[in-house]
Amino acid sequence: AQKVTQAQTEISVVEKEDVTLDCVYETRDTTYYLFWYKQPPSGELVFLIRRNSFDEQNEISGRYSWNFQKSTSSFNFTITASQVVDSAVYFCALSAPSGTYKYIFGTGTRLKVLA
Amino acid sequence: SQTIHQWPATLVQPVGSPLSLECTVEGTSNPNLYWYRQAAGRGLQLLFYSVGIGQISSEVPQNLSASRPQDRQFILSSKKLLLSDSGFYLCAWSVLSENQPQHFGDGTRLSIL
Repeated sequence: AQKVTQAQTEISVVEKEDVTLDCVYETRDTTYYLFWYKQPPSGELVFLIRRNSFDEQNEISGRYSWNFQKSTSSFNFTITASQVVDSAVYFCALSAPSGTYKYIFGTGTRLKVLA
Repeated sequence: SQTIHQWPATLVQPVGSPLSLECTVEGTSNPNLYWYRQAAGRGLQLLFYSVGIGQISSEVPQNLSASRPQDRQFILSSKKLLLSDSGFYLCAWSVLSENQPQHFGDGTRLSIL
């Protein structure tokens, strides 16, 4: 069965601290995709990144970086020098088996960045 | 560029009343369309998805239904709302190819009184 686990329900950090959001997934597929989304207080989900199972290179985009490790089935998200605007709920998601067009979402991690 | 519109943004309805939430996508053809519900402080629950006009897949049995009367229009309905239908409803689209990102609308906050 496919599953995405975000064990951290809520994290609080002080502004300028680095923070890592964990995502562990389970799948039997050899080809799959992983995603991260941000949900700010306004509610809409904002797509951040997609990573396919064949690309284990880490990715950096400004203060955001992602660490994909197939050996541990993890796709962790790090925010460097956090800012108050980073406060949001972050969701990790996994593409479901071929032909279903669905995602499996984790339960989300609420990040609070305190000024 | 592609955009997704979802309305209304907020809705307060009495128990037993009907519901119609609408979602439209612009700037793309034949998208996959999705309806999710998010209870307060909770994760996303996939309710329905559609890969084409008139094609609806239901994920969770409940008193909600979905329809796709046009290629880029997705409607979530109910004949009689329950208190448990309260939540934040999100519509999303993706290109027809698999494993592409889903892009979400701004959501509808539904409160049932």
